[in-house]
Amino acid sequence: EVQLVESGGALVEPGGSLRLSCVASGFTLKTYSMNWVRQAPGKGLEWISYISPTSSTIYYADSVKGRFTISRDNVQNSVYLQMNSLRDEDTAVYYCARDPPLTSYYGSGSYFDYWGPGTLVTLSS
Amino acid sequence: QSALTQPPSVSGSPGQSVTISCTGTSSDVGHYNRVSWYQQPPGTAPKLIIFAVSNRPSGVPDRFSGSKSGNTASLTISGLQAEDEADYYCSSYTGTSTYVVFGGGTKLTVL
Repeated sequence: EVQLVESGGALVEPGGSLRLSCVASGFTLKTYSMNWVRQAPGKGLEWISYISPTSSTIYYADSVKGRFTISRDNVQNSVYLQMNSLRDEDTAVYYCARDPPLTSYYGSGSYFDYWGPGTLVTLSS
Repeated sequence: QSALTQPPSVSGSPGQSVTISCTGTSSDVGHYNRVSWYQQPPGTAPKLIIFAVSNRPSGVPDRFSGSKSGNTASLTISGLQAEDEADYYCSSYTGTSTYVVFGGGTKLTVL
C-alpha cells in the first residue's frame, strides 16, 4: 500500500526555521518526482515545490523561492522541505504529493495521485 | 502564474447533476491535457478523482467525469449523493518552473 507521511510541523515564531519530512512507503521513491503543496487555514491548495527523482530538477513557487529548500534521500525513502525566514503567511497544512511515474503516458505534473495526511505549521509570536 | 478560476460554490439535490468549471489560460489549461481534479472533504487530504482531463483513477465512481474546451475544464458529478459534499479543486500543469497551478476551490453542497 502506498503511503506518504509528513512530520515536523510545529508552532514557530516569524523569522524562524523548520524542516519538514515526508516518508514514503509501498513504492520505489527513486522512480518518482515529488511535490510539496500547502493549504492555509480556510484557503485553497497552493503548489510550492517540486523535485525530480535524482534531484537534478527543482522548482519553487515565487512565494517561497529563496526561503524554502526541497531535498530528498532515496535511500531513506524521504523528501524534505527546509523552511527558513518563516512569515505569518506560511501558516498552513503542508502536504507531500506524488507525481506520475517517469514512464507515465500522461506526463509530469498531470496529476498527484497520492497525498500524505499533512503536517501543520503555525506561525505565531 | 495566477490561480485557475473556479466558482466558489455550487449546490444540487440528491440525484441531480452539477458541473464545476475551471478556467485558465492558453498557457496552461488550454495548452496541456494535464488537468486534474481533487475532492477534499473537511479535515482530510485531497483525493485525486480525475486526471489528464477525463480519466478516472481506479475506484472512483463513473458518476464523476471531466472534460475540457479551450481554456476551460469542467468536472461533472451526476447522481449526486450526500457523500459528494466536499471542496473540489482543479489543477493544471504549466510547462514552466511554476510547474502546477491550482484553482481556488469550489464548495459543493448537497441540499
